[in-house]
Amino acid sequence: DAGITQSPRHKVTETGTPVTLRCHQTENHRYMYWYRQDPGHGLRLIHYSYGVKDTDKGEVSDGYSVSRSKTEDFLLTLESATSSQTSVYFCAISESLPGQGGADYGYTFGSGTRLTVV
Amino acid sequence: AQSVTQLGSHVSVSEGALVLLRCNYSSSVPPYLFWYVQYPNQGLQLLLKYTSAATLVKGINGFEAEFKKSETSFHLTKPSAHMSDAAEYFCAVALSGNTPLVFGKGTRLSVIA
Repeated sequence: DAGITQSPRHKVTETGTPVTLRCHQTENHRYMYWYRQDPGHGLRLIHYSYGVKDTDKGEVSDGYSVSRSKTEDFLLTLESATSSQTSVYFCAISESLPGQGGADYGYTFGSGTRLTVV
Repeated sequence: AQSVTQLGSHVSVSEGALVLLRCNYSSSVPPYLFWYVQYPNQGLQLLLKYTSAATLVKGINGFEAEFKKSETSFHLTKPSAHMSDAAEYFCAVALSGNTPLVFGKGTRLSVIA
């Protein structure tokens, strides 16, 4: 268990308000990711982080910012929420795994945050 | 840039029938490949993965997938469908370890009694 906690689990907010979603992990993983899931689109990458203060944009980063001031927390902020940002947001970590034959990696996802912008 | 195509947004099978969910990828280098399952209102659970070891990969719940480099495919199969297999299935690819996963759009599997 990668010990990933997302908060809040559910949120309803009004258009134009700022919103911050939190992803917290307890196992010192270096790599963290934020995705959004929408029907018919699968999961799409918003931003990711490869260390404290090291982040990069993903496929659908417009309207979102992230911060990672310490290893365990990766924050996703919607500066001014819009209805198009109504979605389910997933945080994930990745890690190298000990293996007997070649490289092995694991990607583990949090339980998600359901955000509704009205 | 890598991409994933899942053929069929919805697949319906009878209970006891073969399950075949298709996944094709594009990548400039041999990738890492994953299948995840998502039950309604839940998160993503890893079914199986290919990370450069055996090309035939066995996962949980009786599922398996075969990495075919020549066909750039990683199709998911299960010999006999159960009602509990009804869920959405996602194929994903990573260019290398600890890089972002790129997901297909998903295939919803329905199992008919």
